Amino acid sequence: NAGVTQTPKFRILKIGQSMTLQCTQDMNHNYMYWYRQDPGMGLKLIYYSVGAGITDKGEVPNGYNVSRSTTEDFPLRLELAAPSQTSVYFCASTKGAGVTDTQYFGPGTRLTVL
Amino acid sequence: AQSVTQLGSHVSVSEGALVLLRCNYSSSVPPYLFWYVQYPNQGLQLLLKYTTGATLVKGINGFEAEFKKSETSFHLTKPSAHMSDAAEYFCAVSATGFQKLVFGTGTRLLVSP
Repeated sequence: NAGVTQTPKFRILKIGQSMTLQCTQDMNHNYMYWYRQDPGMGLKLIYYSVGAGITDKGEVPNGYNVSRSTTEDFPLRLELAAPSQTSVYFCASTKGAGVTDTQYFGPGTRLTVL
Repeated sequence: AQSVTQLGSHVSVSEGALVLLRCNYSSSVPPYLFWYVQYPNQGLQLLLKYTTGATLVKGINGFEAEFKKSETSFHLTKPSAHMSDAAEYFCAVSATGFQKLVFGTGTRLLVSP
């Protein structure tokens, strides 16, 4: 059971380039989340999804887009990379929405924009 | 809006010593509180959580935390530190009963032999 997997592990982008961060979970979880973690800061929620075809904004959605075409996959798209998007990105998932559920996190993608 | 404050970005202890990581929260409604641990180059892992009921919560790896409403605190403790406890610890809060968590800035625990 792989849990939550993320690719790539590392990436360097030039300003203005675009890329997609991949996230896949094999636990049949309905809810999925994207966070960013800046140095010395806590995680901030970018987007989340309550099921296939349904997404919503989190605290810091600007500069990002998401889609959820299947239960398993929740890719995060950066269209025009900016230095401010240099961060570590984590994907997570839960079975349900309540606080009694546990968020399972992927290992993260470290992104540098130069 | 809810928030959490973690006092001390770094805490150093000796192996075998008491671990105390501090977390204070701000919430206009009864909060749900969490502690997560992040080992180097890994994602976050849930240590424990308080939702309702008993205010002393026991988690994995010998950690526990006590919800104190009067002090708006949810400090994390472990009686005896192990080298393997060296990691970053995050306190988080949800005031909505939903998984949209607000995280603190984290405390890095350093354990020396």
